[in-house]
Amino acid sequence: GENVEQHPSTLSVQEGDSAVIKCTYSDSASNYFPWYKQELGKRPQLIIDIRSNVGEKKDQRIAVTLNKTAKHFSLHITETQPEDSAVYFCAASRSNDYKLSFGAGTTVTVRA
Amino acid sequence: SAVISQKPSRDICQRGTSLTIQCQVDSQVTMMFWYRQQPGQSLTLIATANQGSEATYESGFVIDKFPISRPNLTFSTLTVSNLSPEDSSIYLCSVADRAKETQYFGPGTRLLVL
Repeated sequence: GENVEQHPSTLSVQEGDSAVIKCTYSDSASNYFPWYKQELGKRPQLIIDIRSNVGEKKDQRIAVTLNKTAKHFSLHITETQPEDSAVYFCAASRSNDYKLSFGAGTTVTVRA
Repeated sequence: SAVISQKPSRDICQRGTSLTIQCQVDSQVTMMFWYRQQPGQSLTLIATANQGSEATYESGFVIDKFPISRPNLTFSTLTVSNLSPEDSSIYLCSVADRAKETQYFGPGTRLLVL
């Protein structure tokens, strides 16, 4: 099955700086890569996703890049704010089964 | 996106008992899943809830321990049977539309087994 590795496990950044989280996957058939943000005590919320026919996608301060050859994808958060503090999960799935395999998560702390 | 609710939001159960969790969606959805999130950990897929047929379980999860029903396109239940303290987790349902592929999560059910 799919194995998704996520790094780093924790990330502390100064407010206004950028944060980058990286994930690798093992199944070359995976073609859908969402990112979820989970605040303490709340449900995971989809913040951005990318499909294998796209190399990069941006939504305001958040961007995701995908390198299918190397089987890795990354989340970039620019101009971080205290409300960006949360646990972020990457995931991967095949389009024919929609089953998400999650990375271990990254705890992001934005220092004011 | 669809509005997803779960009941109960939390529960404390004695070992050896069972807990049934309900997941309700406000619109018909193609795909429904159940995940487990152990304390401080990531999410692990338990099974795909298939409408009108037996659920499809992932490796390490069995029907006797986690029976699932999905009588229609808006509702599913997950039962966690013969509870032990190791079952203390958050259980989340998720829904996806086959056309859009994006997956959304319910608020979760926090289970503590004593």
